[in-house]
Amino acid sequence: AQTVTQSQPEMSVQEAETVTLSCTYDTSESNYYLFWYKQPPSRQMILVIRQEAYKQQNATENRFSVNFQKAAKSFSLKISDSQLGDTAMYFCAFMKPYPSTVQGAQKLVFGQGTRLTINP
Amino acid sequence: GAGVSQTPSNKVTEKGKYVELRCDPISGHTALYWYRQSLGQGPEFLIYFQGTGAADDSGLPNDRFFAVRPEGSVSTLKIQRTERGDSAVYLCASSSLGGQYNEQFFGPGTRLTVL
Repeated sequence: AQTVTQSQPEMSVQEAETVTLSCTYDTSESNYYLFWYKQPPSRQMILVIRQEAYKQQNATENRFSVNFQKAAKSFSLKISDSQLGDTAMYFCAFMKPYPSTVQGAQKLVFGQGTRLTINP
Repeated sequence: GAGVSQTPSNKVTEKGKYVELRCDPISGHTALYWYRQSLGQGPEFLIYFQGTGAADDSGLPNDRFFAVRPEGSVSTLKIQRTERGDSAVYLCASSSLGGQYNEQFFGPGTRLTVL
């Protein structure tokens, strides 16, 4: 079974600073997807960024980028020029990419989350 | 619809009662997922539907939990004889099917409180 671990329960930075959230995972799969989701107080999970394990290039989405270290099973999220609107819970998640007819495919496995606060 | 909707937004019930939580997926999405998020934790998978059938129900904690999707669209999560430990936010997500990756779009969840 896959597991996802986020070792930072809470983090706090000043607006405009850069912050990095950590995530490690455990799997015996060679191909998979990794995600970072944002959950604001509204509770709605919002996809921030996605990484495909077979791609060596780290994914980037505007101010968000990842550092994917496959051998170390590490997947950190860097937020540059942080904004007050980035304040939220952040979850790292894992998914197997097999065709959806295979049991266990498609479900997301989440870490425990990191509560990020951006201070003015 | 524009997004995944869930009703009710909040539900308070007494121990031992029966509850139903509803999820309306994005129109045309074949796959539907239920997750449970306990306080201070990440969401945990409960069940996954492809169309009308449950493709994977390995996350349902016990036989008090049951979910249906009779017409392949709206889904209802049913909890019998509720216990205080069932208190959590229940999240629903939907996705299209067809590739190795299909983004899951989440609803705002139903917060269930069992007194």
